[in-house]
Amino acid sequence: NAGVTQTPKFQVLKTGQSMTLQCAQDMNHNSMYWYRQDPGMGLRLIYYSASEGTTDKGEVPDGYNVSRLKKQNFLLGLESAAPSQTSVYFCASSWSLSSNQPQHFGDGTRLSIL
Amino acid sequence: EDQVTQSPEALRLQEGESSSLNCSYTVSGLRGLFWYRQDPGKGPEFLFTLYSAGEEKEKERLKATLTKKESFLHITAPKPEDSATYLCAVQADGGSYIPTFGRGTSLIVHP
Repeated sequence: NAGVTQTPKFQVLKTGQSMTLQCAQDMNHNSMYWYRQDPGMGLRLIYYSASEGTTDKGEVPDGYNVSRLKKQNFLLGLESAAPSQTSVYFCASSWSLSSNQPQHFGDGTRLSIL
Repeated sequence: EDQVTQSPEALRLQEGESSSLNCSYTVSGLRGLFWYRQDPGKGPEFLFTLYSAGEEKEKERLKATLTKKESFLHITAPKPEDSATYLCAVQADGGSYIPTFGRGTSLIVHP
């Protein structure tokens, strides 16, 4: 079982460049999430999707956009990358937002903005 | 506002030296409390879910317990392979249902 797969695993960008982080899950989960993890800050929610076709802002959405066109995929976009967006990004999925079931995480994308 | 505080931030143990990690939380109503393990360079891996005060779950050398205000992750006779960061997350009963994560406890077990 692949679970949650994130691509790419590593990426270096220059300030102002754009890119899309990809996330795919094969567990038929309804809800998906994007987090960033910075030293001393813990996991912070960027955006989430309760179900296919819906998205909502989390704690730190500025500078990002998301897309959930297919149930199994959740895309995170950086329109104009800034050094403050250097971080490790984790995608997660769960059965549904309101169920008390755990989230399943990918292994992250390590992003550096120069 | 839901709050989750984990302590200590870092813990160093000798192999075989048992200890406990703490997760204190404040929520209007608890839907579930989750423990995760995170190895360097990896995503968090689910360990346990606790739903109500008095509940306990065990897995190998780990035992998670829950009260109305906090959860403990007890590590009995730890081994070096137990070294990792342990994260606690709390899901409130109502609102957005988005889990709130603590900042984690970094555990190092020396041989």
